[in-house]
Amino acid sequence: AQTVTQSQPEMSVQEAETVTLSCTYDTSESDYYLFWYKQPPSRQMILVIRQEAYKQQNATENRFSVNFQKAAKSFSLKISDSQLGDAAMYFCAYRSYQGGSEKLVFGKGTKLTVNP
Amino acid sequence: GAGVSQSPRYKVTKRGQDVALRCDPISGHVSLYWYRQALGQGPEFLTYFNYEAQQDKSGLPNDRFSAERPEGSISTLTIQRTEQRDSAMYRCASSPGLAGGTDTQYFGPGTRLTVL
Repeated sequence: AQTVTQSQPEMSVQEAETVTLSCTYDTSESDYYLFWYKQPPSRQMILVIRQEAYKQQNATENRFSVNFQKAAKSFSLKISDSQLGDAAMYFCAYRSYQGGSEKLVFGKGTKLTVNP
Repeated sequence: GAGVSQSPRYKVTKRGQDVALRCDPISGHVSLYWYRQALGQGPEFLTYFNYEAQQDKSGLPNDRFSAERPEGSISTLTIQRTEQRDSAMYRCASSPGLAGGTDTQYFGPGTRLTVL
């Protein structure tokens, strides 16, 4: 079974600075998807960014980018120019590419604090 | 609809009572998922549907939990004889059901269940 590990329970960053959140995963599959979700205090689950494992190019979405290292099974999230609204829990998630295994497997999350 | 909706948003019940949690997915989305999130943890998969067919129920913790999606749209998660350990946020997500695609899951606001 796949597992996702987020080794940083909490992180903090100064407004306008850059922060990187770590995520590692364990799988025997070669094709899969990876996601970062944001959960603000409202406890909504908001998709931040996604990555297909077969793509070598790292995904970017405005101030959010990933560093995907397939061989190392690492999928870190970089937030540039941090803003107060970025403060939230961030969850890394894995989804199998194979049909019939559509579920997301989540890590335990990293709480990000943004200091003014 | 514009997004995934869930009702009720909050539910307080007494131990031993049955509860029914409702999910209304994004219009046209084929796949519907149920997750449970304990405080301070990432969501954990319960079950999912493609159209009205339940594809995977491996995450349902025991036979007190059941789910249905009779017309391939709205889904109900039912917990019978609730116990205090069932207290959690129950999240629903839907996705377009794109074969071989990224098929991102979009989450609803959740139902916070408290069992006294």
